[in-house]
Amino acid sequence: GAVVSQHPSRVICKSGTSVKIECRSLDFQATTMFWYRQFPKQSLMLMATSNEGSKATYEQGVEKDKFLINHASLTLSTLTVTSAHPEDSSFYICSAGSGSGFNTEAFFGQGTRLTVV
Amino acid sequence: AQTVTQSQPEMSVQEAETVTLSCTYDTSESDYYLFWYKQPPSRQMILVIRQEAYKQQNATENRFSVNFQKAAKSFSLKISDSQLGDAAMYFCAYKGMNYGGSQGNLIFGKGTKLSVKP
Repeated sequence: GAVVSQHPSRVICKSGTSVKIECRSLDFQATTMFWYRQFPKQSLMLMATSNEGSKATYEQGVEKDKFLINHASLTLSTLTVTSAHPEDSSFYICSAGSGSGFNTEAFFGQGTRLTVV
Repeated sequence: AQTVTQSQPEMSVQEAETVTLSCTYDTSESDYYLFWYKQPPSRQMILVIRQEAYKQQNATENRFSVNFQKAAKSFSLKISDSQLGDAAMYFCAYKGMNYGGSQGNLIFGKGTKLSVKP
């Protein structure tokens, strides 16, 4: 299957700093990528939809100024957590779709564990 | 809005036995996809099986099969001959059709933690 690479896998940062997480589709082009957040022992919650060449679409309750998403190419989307605080500590996962319409499947990155101290 | 419900927070099965994980969903759409994903301790999401709603035949993938009941909006996962490596969180997920060509997001249930006893 297609490969989605997410980097870094783990990051620890100080409160008030910014952290960038990269999501790359290695062997296919993804016009749309998705960013999810997963709290411990909970499900994945969609944060935003990243659209190549246009603004991201954020889910209700997600601060777009705190979670900056850039999708500058068909193979790369980035999520920047700005002015991170301990409550932003979580597991972040990206996914990208391959195919369209009736032939579509989501592939997930390995996830990024963010710890803000 | 679509919702996905997994009513079993935890399940346990003896190695080599069979276990069924439940999932129900709510939607007003007639065409959609349903998935089961496995998330082991590494937290990498792994696709286990998928089902297109327009297909009446239940999907199977080796030891994994589904019981898709469209009218009841039920999508259970059966794992046969359970193995120790099957121990993980299992998420049921829904995805609507996107006829425009873009890939829609997945809506996940809360997950079922499966333990496999040796």
